Amino acid sequence: DTGVSQNPRHKITKRGQNVTFRCDPISEHNRLYWYRQTLGQGPEFLTYFQNEAQLEKSRLLSDRFSAERPKGSFSTLEIQRTEQGDSAMYLCASSLASGGQPQHFGDGTRLSIL
Amino acid sequence: QQPVQSPQAVILREGEDAVINCSSSKALYSVHWYRQKHGEAPVFLMILLKGGEQKGHEKISASFNEKKQQSSLYLTASQLSYSGTYFCGTQGGSQGNLIFGKGTKLSVKP
Repeated sequence: DTGVSQNPRHKITKRGQNVTFRCDPISEHNRLYWYRQTLGQGPEFLTYFQNEAQLEKSRLLSDRFSAERPKGSFSTLEIQRTEQGDSAMYLCASSLASGGQPQHFGDGTRLSIL
Repeated sequence: QQPVQSPQAVILREGEDAVINCSSSKALYSVHWYRQKHGEAPVFLMILLKGGEQKGHEKISASFNEKKQQSSLYLTASQLSYSGTYFCGTQGGSQGNLIFGKGTKLSVKP
């Protein structure tokens, strides 16, 4: 079990640029979640996939955000035209699909917008 | 909809006990507890399911009162390594995302 892997660990970019993050879940996990966390707050749900299907999106996920999981394995989260308010830690988690399964988090990608 | 955690922060001496509470205004299917150290990912501690048993692992245990939509995390004989922020995450159904509380910051001093 290699755990959930996220890349890059840190991303610094200028406002208005596009950024893309990658998440590789635990191999046997068919559920994959994206959360965002700001300082002093708990993780905030963005979206989740079961296999390649995106099953739920938060209202927080504006049209500048898009996520994919094309083959049901790794996932990417893209933010277009980044804004100052996008600065946060972006966390990925994965779990098995059956009810009541724990979600295991990766180390996150810290995004800083200049 | 976001669960409410209490207290917001607690300072302990090594060996002391602590209780962290998590309360929801909605019916819950499960409560998940995580510990997060500064700059690191949340680490899964335990999950409590509706109709399930109280869980425990060594000196950390938790309970879930379905009727009151409340869960409590019990840390006994605290160790320095227990320091961190504890989050509860709740699920209203058997599927889907977790809704996390704002966290309880626990500091254990020698």
